[in-house]
Amino acid sequence: EAGVAQSPRYKIIEKRQSVAFWCNPISGHATLYWYQQILGQGPKLLIQFQNNGVVDDSQLPKDRFSAERLKGVDSTLKIQPAKLEDSAVYLCASSLAPDRPYEQYFGPGTRLTVT
Amino acid sequence: AQSVAQPEDQVKVAEGNPLTVKCTYSVSGNPYLFWYVQYPNRGLQFLLKYITGDNLVKGSYGFEAEFNKSQTSFHLKKPSALVSDSALYFCAVSPPMDSSYKLIFGSGTRLLVRP
Repeated sequence: EAGVAQSPRYKIIEKRQSVAFWCNPISGHATLYWYQQILGQGPKLLIQFQNNGVVDDSQLPKDRFSAERLKGVDSTLKIQPAKLEDSAVYLCASSLAPDRPYEQYFGPGTRLTVT
Repeated sequence: AQSVAQPEDQVKVAEGNPLTVKCTYSVSGNPYLFWYVQYPNRGLQFLLKYITGDNLVKGSYGFEAEFNKSQTSFHLKKPSALVSDSALYFCAVSPPMDSSYKLIFGSGTRLLVRP
């Protein structure tokens, strides 16, 4: 079974530029998560989709971050404009929630450096 | 507020010795608890979970964890450490009344196993 795919793996941009990350979850997984992992910290949930609907985006900085999951499969996370403090690893995860909600499967992440 | 604490930034053990990585939580109700491991340049991998039942749960790679409700702890253990166990370990909790099944992560503990 193929895992969660993410691209790009690395991205370096200057502050105030825009960037987008892509995620392809495990086939059949209804729920998709985006996490932000700042160096030295645990991952923090940014947004959660179930199929193509948003379940939780309470910690998404909506003035600069946006995400979508068209057709309930792939998802993109965008930052516009980026700030220095957005430097982090962005992790995508998927799960069989709500049917089997307890295990999330993570992609390799995208490491973003904002200079 | 719901939270997870990993009091040790780093744990060092010699190969062949038992290891313990500590985790405590603060969640209302009966929590769902998880351990994930992160190897360099790789995504988080699920190790084990506690949902209900036996307080001692067994997971991947010979790891186990003990749920202690009175001490609000979920420590990760392994009887005999391997050098290949060296990685970053995250404890996580999913609030039981939260239908989104999101994960709240601790800050992580780096495990170093000396040959």
